[in-house]
Amino acid sequence: AQSVAQPEDQVNVAEGNPLTVKCTYSVSGNPYLFWYVQYPNRGLQFLLKYITGDNLVKGSYGFEAEFNKSQTSFHLKKPSALVSDSALYFCAVRDFASGGSYIPTFGRGTSLIVHP
Amino acid sequence: EAQVTQNPRYLITVTGKKLTVTCSQNMNHEYMSWYRQDPGLGLRQIYYSMNVEVTDKGDVPEGYKVSRKEKRNFPLILESPSPNQTSLYFCASSLNGGGKYNEQFFGPGTRLTVL
Repeated sequence: AQSVAQPEDQVNVAEGNPLTVKCTYSVSGNPYLFWYVQYPNRGLQFLLKYITGDNLVKGSYGFEAEFNKSQTSFHLKKPSALVSDSALYFCAVRDFASGGSYIPTFGRGTSLIVHP
Repeated sequence: EAQVTQNPRYLITVTGKKLTVTCSQNMNHEYMSWYRQDPGLGLRQIYYSMNVEVTDKGDVPEGYKVSRKEKRNFPLILESPSPNQTSLYFCASSLNGGGKYNEQFFGPGTRLTVL
């Protein structure tokens, strides 16, 4: 079974400050991990993914995420937040185990609010 | 422009009146899927399709049907809608039907209200 948790419903940060949106996961094999962003009245857009290799993954719009196997986490980060980063962020996981699910599991989403 | 399109974008209907939400992608993707998004629950997958004529249930398939007669189209059918199917629906596609590592491209969403 696979699961993903986004422990914060909302994250508030001041413009120019670093931001972190948290995600933890549980899989039986190795994980494929994804971050998506949803702007108001829009569909989800892909930000970045971890498949294998370097634990630090860089993605769109200056976002990055760090895969931490021991803590089963894949937190999304950005060094300097912009007001335009305000959106809903979703973490998703797929299990790489043999016979693992083709159905991705999404977190509940975290609303990021960047204050001017 | 590479995209996933859905129609209609907004729909208000009544209980029991059959409806279809269309989804089309122009990227020659093998894998397509339908999700519903509800507050506090995130996205839950309804059905997915690995390729033409190959469909399978997701996490919440009850009350829905799909078909995949052509690679580009993946309509979602509600034979007898009920109020608990009021939700925001997203269609998505990705490149490789067998690849779990491909990101998905999402449509703009269809907001459905069932009275």
